[in-house]
Amino acid sequence: AQKITQTQPGMFVQEKEAVTLDCTYDTSDPSYGLFWYKQPSSGEMIFLIYQGSYDQQNATEGRYSLNFQKARKSANLVISASQLGDSAMYFCAMRDLRGGFKTIFGAGTRLFVKA
Amino acid sequence: SAVISQKPSRDICQRGTSLTIQCQVDSQVTMMFWYRQQPGQSLTLIATANQGSEATYESGFVIDKFPISRPNLTFSTLTVSNMSPEDSSIYLCSVAHLGETDTQYFGPGTRLTVL
Repeated sequence: AQKITQTQPGMFVQEKEAVTLDCTYDTSDPSYGLFWYKQPSSGEMIFLIYQGSYDQQNATEGRYSLNFQKARKSANLVISASQLGDSAMYFCAMRDLRGGFKTIFGAGTRLFVKA
Repeated sequence: SAVISQKPSRDICQRGTSLTIQCQVDSQVTMMFWYRQQPGQSLTLIATANQGSEATYESGFVIDKFPISRPNLTFSTLTVSNMSPEDSSIYLCSVAHLGETDTQYFGPGTRLTVL
């Protein structure tokens, strides 16, 4: 069965510093996609970044990058130059790309950016 | 990407009543989903909304409690029936379009409180 694990319930980072949010996953399927979403206090889920299991390079989107280590089954999110507006919940998610569109989510990590 | 709107954005309801949540997308999408996020929890898939046919429900969710309609490719409704305080959650509409990067987008959510 597929599983997503986020072991950091909360993280603190100083403004302008980089932070890494951990995510490990478990699946027996060779074709899958990994996603990170941001959920501010307003409740909206904001798509940040996507990594396909066959992608050779780590995904990057502006200040967000995904440190994809396939052998370790980890997909950590790195946020560079943290901003106060980055304070939010962050969810790692995974979907089997071969069939269906069922996405499973991790428990989330709450990030606090300190001024 | 897709622009998704949900109505209402929030509501406070009495026990035993029902609430219908609407989800509108600005473009035709292949897949539409409904998620529930209970307070302090991660996202749980309720069902996949199928155009012109009955929704596909996940384990633990039934049509009598969460009837779903999807009359076309841009609109869906979720009804929370015979509500109890345990139904207090954020309900999120989500869409995806097969053939792209499989990215899944979310609406702003409906924050429901049942008294």
